[in-house]
Parts: sequence; structure tokens; C-alpha cells
Amino acid sequence: LAKTTQPISMDSYEGQEVNITCSHNNIATNDYITWYQQFPSQGPRFIIQGYKTKVTNEVASLFIPADRKSSTLSLPRVSLSDTAVYYCLVGDSKPGSARQLTFGSGTQLTVLP
Amino acid sequence: NAGVMQNPRHLVRRRGQEARLRCSPMKGHSHVYWYRQLPEEGLKFMVYLQKENIIDESGMPKERFSAEFPKEGPSILRIQQVVRGDSAAYFCASSPGLGNTEAFFGQGTRLTVV
Repeated sequence: LAKTTQPISMDSYEGQEVNITCSHNNIATNDYITWYQQFPSQGPRFIIQGYKTKVTNEVASLFIPADRKSSTLSLPRVSLSDTAVYYCLVGDSKPGSARQLTFGSGTQLTVLP
Repeated sequence: NAGVMQNPRHLVRRRGQEARLRCSPMKGHSHVYWYRQLPEEGLKFMVYLQKENIIDESGMPKERFSAEFPKEGPSILRIQQVVRGDSAAYFCASSPGLGNTEAFFGQGTRLTVV
């Protein structure tokens, strides 16, 4: 089971780009990297998922180097509403693999005006 | 297509009572996960179920906790003889399985034991 390490907290200002890096040194060949966002008193919400190189959607980009031992979630031009906890998950995408949804401690992102 | 529905949203129980938390997955989803989140902490995996089967219950406490996902109806997380330490937010997630790691979470049930 690949363990993930993220910064406990980050502060940013509105309009800036935010990059949150996650370390997963023991990532396995079958593992995907997934990021979730959680607001207070709500369930987590899927943001983005990737296996290697770069993935981009309407919300964020995910950068994964060739060795896949880390990944970086990039949020362009954050706003106050992006203040949340961001979780990096690493897991096997094969059917029946419950560990695909093992959450770490997450990164508390606070966006300041 | 309604999202994952959990009820009740808030549940208050006295010590020693039973708590039943319900989770209706998204339409077409046959995989359900339950998580517990204590205040100021991350989500802790409890159990993973498919219809009529418990696939992984390695995160479930050995006593008083049980979960089911019957062929018909919602998934139920049952906590018997609740204690104050059971007070937490309990989240359910569902996915279609088949290698898709994107899971959709409900709003959670906040259990308070008094």
C-alpha cells in the first residue's frame, strides 16, 4: 500500500496559482493518483486522476514525473471558494481493490483575499 | 441522476443505543464504501461492499459495528451500544467499480452520542 505525504497546510492569495505536491515513493505499477477536495461538513469531491505525465481538466492540472514517486496538483487562479482540504490518494484501479480509496491527512489550503 | 444520498444528516443517540446510518448509492453503482471522520482529522476507511457482499472490512472496529448492502435497498452501517467515542461524521461513497477509482461521496451523517 503506497503511503502518501503532503504538506499539512498552505496559504495563498486570490488569483494566484497553487501547487500542492504529494510524495508517494512506494507507488506500484498498477496505482493511479487521484485528488479529492473536501469542504467543511461535506463529503470529498473528485478533482482529477492520472497515471503519468500531465492531465488537465476544467478544474485543475496534475503533473506526474517519469518516476511517479510524486505528483503535483495545480490550481490556476484560486479564489476564496477554493479554501478546502485537498487529499492525494494512490491506489490500484483494478476492480475490487478497496485500497484505491485510502485517504491521508490532506493539505488544508487557505486562500486569503 | 441523484447523487449519493445519506440519511439522516444528523443523528443524536444516547450511550448504549443503536445507530443506523443509511446510504443510497448513485444509480448504476454497485460498490459502496463507508468512512469515518473525527473532528479535525482525515477520513478513515471502514468497509467496502458490493451488493450482498462485504469485500473488505479491515477498517471496521471488531465489535459493535456492522455493515450490509442488500440486493434491494440502501447500504446500512449499524453501530450497536454507541459510546461517546463513536461521535463523528460518517461518509458513504459509491462507484461503478470496474476499475474506476472515481468515487462519489454523500453529504455524510453526523452522529452525536450524548
